Amino acid sequence: AQTVTQSQPEMSVQEAETVTLSCTYDTSESDYYLFWYKQPPSRQMILVIRQEAYKQQNATENRFSVNFQKAAKSFSLKISDSQLGDAAMYFCAYRSAYGNKLVFGAGTILRVKS
Amino acid sequence: KAGVTQTPRYLIKTRGQQVTLSCSPISGHRSVSWYQQTPGQGLQFLFEYFSETQRNKGNFPGRFSGRQFSNSRSEMNVSTLELGDSALYLCASSLTRGQGSPLHFGNGTRLTVT
Repeated sequence: AQTVTQSQPEMSVQEAETVTLSCTYDTSESDYYLFWYKQPPSRQMILVIRQEAYKQQNATENRFSVNFQKAAKSFSLKISDSQLGDAAMYFCAYRSAYGNKLVFGAGTILRVKS
Repeated sequence: KAGVTQTPRYLIKTRGQQVTLSCSPISGHRSVSWYQQTPGQGLQFLFEYFSETQRNKGNFPGRFSGRQFSNSRSEMNVSTLELGDSALYLCASSLTRGQGSPLHFGNGTRLTVT
């Protein structure tokens, strides 16, 4: 079975600074996808960024980028120029290439200080 | 395009009762997945439906069931409610299965069992 581990229950960052959220996963599959989701107090899960395991290039989406290390099974999220609206719970998630089941990590609460 | 709609937003039930939650996916989406979110257990996969067939099921007791209709709308039912069933139930829809097809989440139904 696949597992996802987020070792940082909570992180803080100053507005306009950069923060990195950590995620490791375990799987025996070779074909899969990794995601970072954001859940603000409104409760809706919002997709931040997606990485295909077969792609060596790290995904980027505006101020959000990932550091995907497939051999180490590591998938960290870097948020640059942090904004107050980035404050939320962030979840790392794994998904096999062959279905739609997401396996989530425990989440990291990100606080942004002004 | 309307997003994923979950009804009701909030629900209060008594132990022993049963409850039905509804999820309307994004128009054209054929896959619907359900997740339970609690502070203690985090986000856990309940089940996935595609073209009216259950394709995957999480590790939950038989009290949890679901179905999908021909218009892709889905319902999940919990019978003989227990206090531990109090949770946020999230529904996600996707155009298809696998291939990294993005999952879009609804705002969830907050169930409180007293």
